[in-house]
Amino acid sequence: DAKTTQPNSMESNEEEPVHLPCNHSTISGTDYIHWYRQLPSQGPEYVIHGLTSNVNNRMASLAIAEDRKSSTLILHRATLRDAAVYYCILCGFGNEKLTFGTGTRLTIIP
Amino acid sequence: ETGVTQTPRHLVMGMTNKKSLKCEQHLGHNAMYWYKQSAKKPLELMFVYNFKEQTENNSVPSRFSPECPNSSHLFLHLHTLQPEDSALYLCASSPTDLPNEQFFGPGTRLTVL
Repeated sequence: DAKTTQPNSMESNEEEPVHLPCNHSTISGTDYIHWYRQLPSQGPEYVIHGLTSNVNNRMASLAIAEDRKSSTLILHRATLRDAAVYYCILCGFGNEKLTFGTGTRLTIIP
Repeated sequence: ETGVTQTPRHLVMGMTNKKSLKCEQHLGHNAMYWYKQSAKKPLELMFVYNFKEQTENNSVPSRFSPECPNSSHLFLHLHTLQPEDSALYLCASSPTDLPNEQFFGPGTRLTVL
């Protein structure tokens, strides 16, 4: 499986946008980019996914670089409830497995 | 009840005990998963079931025995565990069509004494 690289931790102020980066330089053409997050004492939660184009949903936006070697998860207005570990995961076509790394621990400052 | 549920939420067992973890999903999914999350380590995939058939065993010791009687239920039978097996055990389910959006349960916090 192609690997991803994320910063270990980030901090952001409440009510400000947050940009969480992910590098995946060895991504293959059929790999989907998935983002999950894990709030304290909970199981992971799906956030968003994309293949080539930028994506928006009610939780976040996903910006994918033109060469697909990096992506950025954007939380438009962070709240305290967004404090979690965020995982960027590549999932190949026809592959049901998700390989979690260590993710980015996001701290929201009130 | 909706989503993925797991019981029990907490379990303490001795090394000679036999116990089972239960997972149930009400989402109509056909794929189910067991993950292990040890302290300060990434989630590790243990088993995958598609349409009740095991399609992945990630080199899991035989003291962990999964069972999937139907697409809605998944069990993890535990016997002769070691203290290092203490961890959060997470169940997930997903539809079988792409992309693979997995829905996780809250987990069972297992302590082996």
